[in-house]
Amino acid sequence: DAKTTQPPSMDCAEGRAANLPCNHSTISGNEYVYWYRQIHSQGPQYIIHGLKNNETNEMASLIITEDRKSSTLILPHATLRDTAVYYCIVRVSFSSNTGKLIFGQGTTLQVKP
Amino acid sequence: DSGVTQTPKHLITATGQRVTLRCSPRSGDLSVYWYQQSLDQGLQFLIQYYNGEERAKGNILERFSAQQFPDLHSELNLSSLELGDSALYFCASSVRTSGITGELFFGEGSRLTVL
Repeated sequence: DAKTTQPPSMDCAEGRAANLPCNHSTISGNEYVYWYRQIHSQGPQYIIHGLKNNETNEMASLIITEDRKSSTLILPHATLRDTAVYYCIVRVSFSSNTGKLIFGQGTTLQVKP
Repeated sequence: DSGVTQTPKHLITATGQRVTLRCSPRSGDLSVYWYQQSLDQGLQFLIQYYNGEERAKGNILERFSAQQFPDLHSELNLSSLELGDSALYFCASSVRTSGITGELFFGEGSRLTVL
């Protein structure tokens, strides 16, 4: 699985959009981009994933560049409860590997009032 | 609530002892994953089972072992415990169905403290 690079920490004002970048320059054509978050010592929580098209769900939007070498997770209106460590992970299609996720160090997002 | 249940939530024990952590996956999930999270190591993948069989192995020590039972619950056994084994241990489960990019559902973890 390809390696990802994320900034170690970011701040965001409450109510503003939080844009979390991820670099995955060695991503392969069959690898998906997954985002998970972990709120202080709780179990990691799935946010969103995508292959090459932009994706949106009730939690966030995922923007993947055309060359797929980087992506941005967008939390449109960050709240204090969004303070967490956000992990960007790339992984091949679930059906063609074991399904395990390899976590990096992630980005600690601090949402401030 | 992810639907994954882990017990115990907290466990304090002494060096040299043995403990068993238990995980009940979501109903219908065939895969179980174990992760260790210590302060200085982040989330480390330990091992995965699928329908009772070991499927993938990560950075799991020889002192640790796991199994998945016919009812699909899983146990992680940690023996000859050392201070450095103090950590949060997470279990996750997923559906393994061809063609679906499934997500992992994590439990709330078992916090192990070795004194």
